[in-house]
Order: sequence, then C-alpha cells, then structure tokens
Amino acid sequence: GAGVSQSPRYKVAKRGQDVALRCDPISGHVSLFWYQQALGQGPEFLTYFQNEAQLDKSGLPSDRFFAERPEGSVSTLKIQRTQQEDSAVYLCASAQRGYPRETQYFGPGTRLLVL
Amino acid sequence: DQQVKQNSPSLSVQEGRISILNCDYTNSMFDYFLWYKKYPAEGPTFLISISSIKDKNEDGRFTVFLNKSAKHLSLHIVPSQPGDSAVYFCAAKTGNTGKLIFGQGTTLQVKP
Repeated sequence: GAGVSQSPRYKVAKRGQDVALRCDPISGHVSLFWYQQALGQGPEFLTYFQNEAQLDKSGLPSDRFFAERPEGSVSTLKIQRTQQEDSAVYLCASAQRGYPRETQYFGPGTRLLVL
Repeated sequence: DQQVKQNSPSLSVQEGRISILNCDYTNSMFDYFLWYKKYPAEGPTFLISISSIKDKNEDGRFTVFLNKSAKHLSLHIVPSQPGDSAVYFCAAKTGNTGKLIFGQGTTLQVKP
C-alpha cells in the first residue's frame, strides 16, 4: 500500500515568509510525528499527534512553529516568519495504533531552504 | 545535550565482511532502542529494535547488541553487501512516549 507522503518535496523561502508543509500518513494510522533534521545531524522530535489530539509539542523550537491535524489524518506543519536557521529537512512519520513501541514509518521529507 | 551519540561519522568495509556500527546513550530511562537506515532523498526505514530487558536481537544478517551497564549498543551486519551502503541512525525511546531520540548517524560504505 501507499506509504507516508509529504509535499512539497523542496521549498525555497525568503526570510520572513510563511511556509506550510503537508504530511499524508499511511491510511488509518493513529499516530503522527514531525521531526526536523539539520544537515549532518539525526532527526529531532518536534511534535506528536494521536488522531487529532496534539499530545506532545515539546520539540517545537519557537512559537513560530505550529502543527495541526484537524481530522486525524493529514497534518500540516506551519512555520511563520521563517529564519535561516529553519533550513532543514522536515520528516513526518506515522504509526498504526498509537502504542509507544510501534514502528514509525517515515515519509521522504520536505527540504526547506530559507534564503 | 546529546542523549544518543554515534561517534563514528563514517565506516568503510569490504563486501562480505562484518560491519559494526556503535551507539552510546546517556539516559538510563531509555527502555527501547532502534536502528534506522536511510538512503539519500528518502526517509529513514526501520531496521531492527531491542528492548532493554534483552541483550541481543537478531534478524537475518542484522544483529543488535545491548550493554546496559556501559550504555552502549551496536549493530552488526554480516555479511555486508554493497546495498547496505546508507546512513544508519541509532534511536531510543522511554516509557509511554513514542518520541524517538536519534543519534547523529553513521555513513556506511560497503565496497565491492
């Protein structure tokens, strides 16, 4: 079946611009995670949804970052007034039932470059 | 504060030989560990995992070893194949959260 998809795959933004990144999880998956991966680093946790409820947003680096999953399926990560330090790959992952030790399936990521 | 560390940025091995990738952690509350593999322009894919109550888990050519007293785990790939060339990430979880804490990654190159 279809995996996790993300769009756009690449985004170039001017500093100060707002961006919206979309994640389509595997159909029926309860859990959805967002991670940020800077160049040469491992992914870092941003936020977690179980269905439409955002249960953990401890990793969001500032109040410029906002995520939503209003109907418990598609999720959008929004970054307001982008800064150069926001340049990274943004990864989305989903898991089937919401159990902590479930395998997380990752999308290909959105590469964001802020000029 | 890097809770999961992969101190070797890269590793090169000959096809057919063993690849050993290492990972250290600092948080004694971690109770589940995973290895993910990543090809360029793709997301990480799950490879193998181990619970903190075990010291070894094996799946085909891949074996993960956990040494809790040393807060160290390793991934062994035997025999290594050119298709194994990728970036390998170690990750850890605690308790009832699904949040993954990743290391920085090790780039493995398997030469034919």
